[in-house]
Amino acid sequence: DTGVSQDPRHKITKRGQNVTFRCDPISEHNRLYWYRQTLGQGPEFLTYFQNEAQLEKSRLLSDRFSAERPKGSFSTLEIQRTEQGDSAMYLCASSPRTGGGGELFFGEGSRLTVL
Amino acid sequence: EDQVTQSPEALRLQEGESSSLNCSYTVSGLRGLFWYRQDPGKGPEFLFTLYSAGEEKEKERLKATLTKKESFLHITAPKPEDSATYLCAVRPGYALNFGKGTSLLVTP
Repeated sequence: DTGVSQDPRHKITKRGQNVTFRCDPISEHNRLYWYRQTLGQGPEFLTYFQNEAQLEKSRLLSDRFSAERPKGSFSTLEIQRTEQGDSAMYLCASSPRTGGGGELFFGEGSRLTVL
Repeated sequence: EDQVTQSPEALRLQEGESSSLNCSYTVSGLRGLFWYRQDPGKGPEFLFTLYSAGEEKEKERLKATLTKKESFLHITAPKPEDSATYLCAVRPGYALNFGKGTSLLVTP
């Protein structure tokens, strides 16, 4: 399977704990995006990487959230001191270029439940 | 701020009953209007990109059209497998801003 891979698919944690999600994009894609989606809502943009550079961050991304993409390959999204409001599906997407057809290739997401 | 509003929120059709989904947008300088399909528990899947008013694109039973203020996703003779949430999005910067989606249910 050469699609976008996300791990873990499901995570249940207690409030106050830290969690980390990993995304492996399609190998030749140098653009990588993180989104968050709650029930009944569309995906909300969190952050964007071009290669290893984090070029855009949403105002939604509080100080408790940090994302990295070392060496421009896989990416991690860490949430520190989780809150119940962080419960959501965290989606990763990649694309081969900007200014193109706007086709983002999404993974199946990591669902976070904060108790 | 660039915004996307989709209607209706939910739509139930009988198999074969054609209809349209609406996406209204406000954006300073359109750099594409995008349609995606999302199945439950899955990530969105790309359908179309439209760039200018009057443009149309088709894929099987789906046709997307674009005006200066809105886009329509027309579904002709839908089948139960067309049941999904349909999302539209605009791109104000590097990333896409999505609407809340229209949840479509097609019954046999």
